[in-house]
Amino acid sequence: EAGVTQFPSHSVIEKGQTVTLRCDPISGHDNLYWYRRVMGKEIKFLLHFVKESKQDESGMPNNRFLAERTGGTYSTLKVQPAELEDSGVYFCASSPLRGDIYGYTFGSGTRLTVV
Amino acid sequence: AQSVTQLGSHVSVSEGALVLLRCNYSSSVPPYLFWYVQYPNQGLQLLLKYTSAATLVKGINGFEAEFKKSETSFHLTKPSAHMSDAAEYFCAVSNSGGYQKVTFGTGTKLQVIP
Repeated sequence: EAGVTQFPSHSVIEKGQTVTLRCDPISGHDNLYWYRRVMGKEIKFLLHFVKESKQDESGMPNNRFLAERTGGTYSTLKVQPAELEDSGVYFCASSPLRGDIYGYTFGSGTRLTVV
Repeated sequence: AQSVTQLGSHVSVSEGALVLLRCNYSSSVPPYLFWYVQYPNQGLQLLLKYTSAATLVKGINGFEAEFKKSETSFHLTKPSAHMSDAAEYFCAVSNSGGYQKVTFGTGTKLQVIP
């Protein structure tokens, strides 16, 4: 089966611009998660979808971040306007059951650099 | 609340030597514990997980970890390091208390010296 696919793999944008990250989970995985790793620190939870519904978005840093999951399939994470501190690697993960119990399948990540 | 501490951001071992990566956790309820590995330019891959069954958990690629409640530890070991083990390793914890978040450690980069 195809894995979790993230696009783009790298993005360099200027402060104030908008960037949209995309994640295609494994087909049939209802649970989709976004995580972020900033400057080699720990990987931090951003939000969790179950199908098209946001189950938990308590990790979203602020209202410049908007996540959607169209029809319960792929998900997008938009940052608008981007700030320098948004730089980092954004990981998407999916799981058929609860990923916090059974584990996740991660994508390769999108490395976002805001200059 | 839950947290994970990984001791040592970088660990170097000789090829064939024992690999020991340390992880201590904090959780107010019985934890679920994980080790993930990230090879260069790839996503994180689940190595093994502890979910309250056997305290000694065996994973892929010859790795294993032992859950020690008294020490709040979940250290990762492998008897003999291989060059292909060079990667970054993340310990992670979640809990049975209903929250579906996983808390990751800061990672340990393993270097294997020929």
